[in-house]
Amino acid sequence: DVKVTQSSRYLVKRTGEKVFLECVQDMDHENMFWYRQDPGLGLRLIYFSYDVKMKEKGDIPEGYSVSREKKERFSLILESASTNQTSMYLCASSLGDRAVYEQYFGPGTRLTVT
Amino acid sequence: AQSVSQHNHHVILSEAASLELGCNYSYGGTVNLFWYVQYPGQHLQLLLKYFSGDPLVKGIKGFEAEFIKSKFSFNLRKPSVQWSDTAEYFCAVSPEVYSSASKIIFGSGTRLSIRP
Repeated sequence: DVKVTQSSRYLVKRTGEKVFLECVQDMDHENMFWYRQDPGLGLRLIYFSYDVKMKEKGDIPEGYSVSREKKERFSLILESASTNQTSMYLCASSLGDRAVYEQYFGPGTRLTVT
Repeated sequence: AQSVSQHNHHVILSEAASLELGCNYSYGGTVNLFWYVQYPGQHLQLLLKYFSGDPLVKGIKGFEAEFIKSKFSFNLRKPSVQWSDTAEYFCAVSPEVYSSASKIIFGSGTRLSIRP
């Protein structure tokens, strides 16, 4: 069974703080993704990575950066958290050629920025 | 640009009713299609997928979906829903062949509530 884990289920941060969200997958998947999930908006892709040290912007990358130093780990960084970044953050991984195969999701991190 | 539309935002049904959730996409090429489900408090999981072949695909828990290429649709169906089907359902599309623009596009989701 593929397992995708995220470092925290719930996180509360103050405006202006630097925030790190960590994601680890145990199935040697090439691709990893970060989404945010907001009511009525579905899942929106922030960044994805198809190989170590490689990254590509998704639909809403502003205010975020990512890091992938090891194949199994993909970090999302909020350089200076703002209240409009309060959301549920989902990490996912998949095999193969970029994003064309099914993705496996972690449990999510609910981030509140006050 | 690719997009996925789920026109029903919230569907309320009684147990044993039949279910059909609509999904339409806009993309000019060949696609892979997915339905994901998120049960309350749980992570998103794959319900079923279509890559090629028989356009009627069967997934877990009695769900099925039909790919109608001419209508750019991939509707999800279940003949008789149960209270445990209460969840949010997401349709997703990705191009069949990788390109620099390849990614999975998700719809906005349909919340399904089943009355016991």
